[in-house]
Amino acid sequence: KAGVTQTPRYLIKTRGQQVTLSCSPISGHRSVSWYQQTPGQGLQFLFEYFSETQRNKGNFPGRFSGRQFSNSRSEMNVSTLELGDSALYLCASSSGTVLNEQFFGPGTRLTVL
Amino acid sequence: AQRVTQPEKLLSVFKGAPVELKCNYSYSGSPELFWYVQYSRQRLQLLLRHISRESIKGFTADLNKGETSFHLKKPFAQEEDSAMYYCALRAGANSKLTFGKGITLSVRP
Repeated sequence: KAGVTQTPRYLIKTRGQQVTLSCSPISGHRSVSWYQQTPGQGLQFLFEYFSETQRNKGNFPGRFSGRQFSNSRSEMNVSTLELGDSALYLCASSSGTVLNEQFFGPGTRLTVL
Repeated sequence: AQRVTQPEKLLSVFKGAPVELKCNYSYSGSPELFWYVQYSRQRLQLLLRHISRESIKGFTADLNKGETSFHLKKPFAQEEDSAMYYCALRAGANSKLTFGKGITLSVRP
């Protein structure tokens, strides 16, 4: 099976802009979770989508949003970018069943100037 | 709310030395605990989970509910063990994963 893919791999934006990141899960997986990874805070959970519905949400401001499509692909959007949003954004997919092992993508490196 | 604490940021040992990566958690219920590993230029991947009670790449971790700990251990470190290790907790079958801040393990030859 192909692994989790994320596009784009690198992005450079300026403050105030918005950005959309994409994640394609492993075939058959219905759950997609998003994380922000920074050197200071480590991995912080953003949100999880399961069958097109947001199932869990982390403690991030409303500028961070996401959605999931019927083919389980997911997008994450960040509006009004701030310098502090610079990070590696990881998505992970899982079957959504009890064992629920998460498989991570390579991440999108976002730099906000 | 659940929390995962990894008290050290870096552990440097010589090849062949024992390794213990500490993880403490706070959660009032019965959590599911995991260790994830990220090797240089590779994806984050699951190393082991407490319900499996298995040894992966020589690593083991025992859930100690009394001490609310899930320390990762290996008796003899190898250079290829050098990586970033994250402890994670899930409060229920469909709940989110909460990660600690991670620890860098460096194994010197």
